Amino acid sequence: GAVVSQHPSRVICKSGTSVKIECRSLDFQATTMFWYRQFPKQSLMLMATSNEGSKATYEQGVEKDKFLINHASLTLSTLTVTSAHPEDSSFYICSAREEGSVYGYTFGSGTRLTVV
Amino acid sequence: GENVEQHPSTLSVQEGDSAVIKCTYSDSASNYFPWYKQELGKRPQLIIDIRSNVGEKKDQRIAVTLNKTAKHFSLHITETQPEDSAVYFCAASVGGSYIPTFGRGTSLIVHP
Repeated sequence: GAVVSQHPSRVICKSGTSVKIECRSLDFQATTMFWYRQFPKQSLMLMATSNEGSKATYEQGVEKDKFLINHASLTLSTLTVTSAHPEDSSFYICSAREEGSVYGYTFGSGTRLTVV
Repeated sequence: GENVEQHPSTLSVQEGDSAVIKCTYSDSASNYFPWYKQELGKRPQLIIDIRSNVGEKKDQRIAVTLNKTAKHFSLHITETQPEDSAVYFCAASVGGSYIPTFGRGTSLIVHP
């Protein structure tokens, strides 16, 4: 089945620094990937849709200058949290749908970001 | 946009009992309804899904029902086991975008 790899799984950074999270589709091509944020005991909230070769589409309320998304290839999307602050601490998960598969998403393993 | 409501937020059952989680959605254009199981600190895993042209689907101990008229769908787990303990999310996909909107999740606890 489709596999999505996400790195790093955990990261601790200082306030004001930037953190990059990678999401890779290992055995399929994905022109579209999705980035979610999840607070403890809460649901997955869609942050943005990452489109290969074009600008990402951000959900309302998500700062595009703070959460930079780059989807430079058919198998890699990156999310960079710029000038991180403690309130950015969260669980970030990406997902992708295999081309030609109308239904079904595969999630990455998630990244636990802690900003101190 | 789509709005998905999920109940209950917490469900505690004894091993062997059945568990039912219910979701409602708002957009009648939604035609795909997946359910995900997420264990603590891990990625959500698709456990079962149903499409709008089907009223019920079963896979061993889990089943999902869909009532399009009432815009609600439910997850049924029979003969629950401690390893079923996790957070379960329902989701609905609107029309051709297939980007799911998630419910708030149900924390299922199965006591041995």
